[in-house]
Amino acid sequence: KAGVTQTPRYLIKTRGQQVTLSCSPISGHRSVSWYQQTPGQGLQFLFEYFSETQRNKGNFPGRFSGRQFSNSRSEMNVSTLELGDSALYLCASSLGSVTYNEQFFGPGTRLTVL
Amino acid sequence: QQQVKQSPQSLIVQKGGISIINCAYENTAFDYFPWYQQFPGKGPALLIAIRPDVSEKKEGRFTISFNKSAKQFSLHIMDSQPGDSATYFCAGPFSGGYNKLIFGAGTRLAVHP
Repeated sequence: KAGVTQTPRYLIKTRGQQVTLSCSPISGHRSVSWYQQTPGQGLQFLFEYFSETQRNKGNFPGRFSGRQFSNSRSEMNVSTLELGDSALYLCASSLGSVTYNEQFFGPGTRLTVL
Repeated sequence: QQQVKQSPQSLIVQKGGISIINCAYENTAFDYFPWYQQFPGKGPALLIAIRPDVSEKKEGRFTISFNKSAKQFSLHIMDSQPGDSATYFCAGPFSGGYNKLIFGAGTRLAVHP
């Protein structure tokens, strides 16, 4: 079974631009969560989507948004990029049932904001 | 604020030694405690996990010990190998957010041959 895939793997943008990252979950998984990983703040939860609905949300500004499609693929968007948005953005998929399921992480998208 | 405090920040162990990483949590509603392993350039991967109804879980060379009264849990890596060199994260889910993990700061483990 194929793992979680994320595209692109690397991205360079300038301040003020916007960016869209994509995540394809493991087949059959309905939940997709997004995390930001930085050396200073570590791994931080952004949001989770389940069946095309945002189910959980972390403490990030409204510039960070996401969506999920009917095939469970998910995108996250960051508008008006700031230097501090430079990070590894990780997507994780799981079955998404009411009890805790193992989350499988993708390799991440490395975003650099200049 | 819900937190998971992880220590040490870095750890150097000789091959064959025991690596011990500790985590403390605040939210007593946490009911699932996973440990993730991350190699450079890769996403985190689940290593082992425990629920609070047991005090210990062992999988191969990896053991989780859980102390509910102290709100602490730890990872023990027996017979540490150079291939275990990675960053390890403990985590707990936010109350009511089953796929909303809060991670510890991470421990960078280096196993020297």
